[in-house]
Amino acid sequence: NAGVTQTPKFQVLKTGQSMTLQCAQDMNHEYMSWYRQDPGMGLRLIHYSVGAGITDQGEVPNGYNVSRSTTEDFPLRLLSAAPSQTSVYFCASSYSRQGARSTDTQYFGPGTRLTVL
Amino acid sequence: TQLLEQSPQFLSIQEGENLTVYCNSSSVFSSLQWYRQEPGEGPVLLVTVVTGGEVKKLKRLTFQFGDARKDSSLHITAAQPGDTGLYLCAGAGSSNTGKLIFGQGTTLQVKP
Repeated sequence: NAGVTQTPKFQVLKTGQSMTLQCAQDMNHEYMSWYRQDPGMGLRLIHYSVGAGITDQGEVPNGYNVSRSTTEDFPLRLLSAAPSQTSVYFCASSYSRQGARSTDTQYFGPGTRLTVL
Repeated sequence: TQLLEQSPQFLSIQEGENLTVYCNSSSVFSSLQWYRQEPGEGPVLLVTVVTGGEVKKLKRLTFQFGDARKDSSLHITAAQPGDTGLYLCAGAGSSNTGKLIFGQGTTLQVKP
């Protein structure tokens, strides 16, 4: 198994540009999520999905869109990039389903380092 | 809003020393996880604690969940340079959606 994969690894955007960060997992996990990591702030949840066709907002959803058309893929779209979105983005997945245990291991991808100029 | 406060944020020690990292909240969590993250990589789960007062050991690492399930600690005995990294605690609420609230992280540097 490849686990959780993310592309690209690095990206530089200009303010106002749009782009999609890709995330895929091959573990048949129901739960997938996107976090951003900024210095001194840990990881903050952007959006999450408890299964194909179901998404919901996390702590910091503004400026980001997600969709979940398949179990495997969970892309994150930046609609109009802003310098405040400069961060490292992590995708994670776990076996958890809606109403399932909160103790399941979350598996993280290697991250996408995004810079918005 | 549930928050997790980690302390200290930075720790630089010599090889062989002991250390403790704390994770505190005013909220009750149904479980708490500790992750370790190395530069350029995603966090990797070390342990999950679910019962108040629970203690788990992983070689030289000891994890404890507070009796009231509001706090946790990570103790490392005889730290080694290989322990260097970012340590993150993450709490799960009672809603069982799989969502986690992360602390700010503790950056540990162990010098040879």
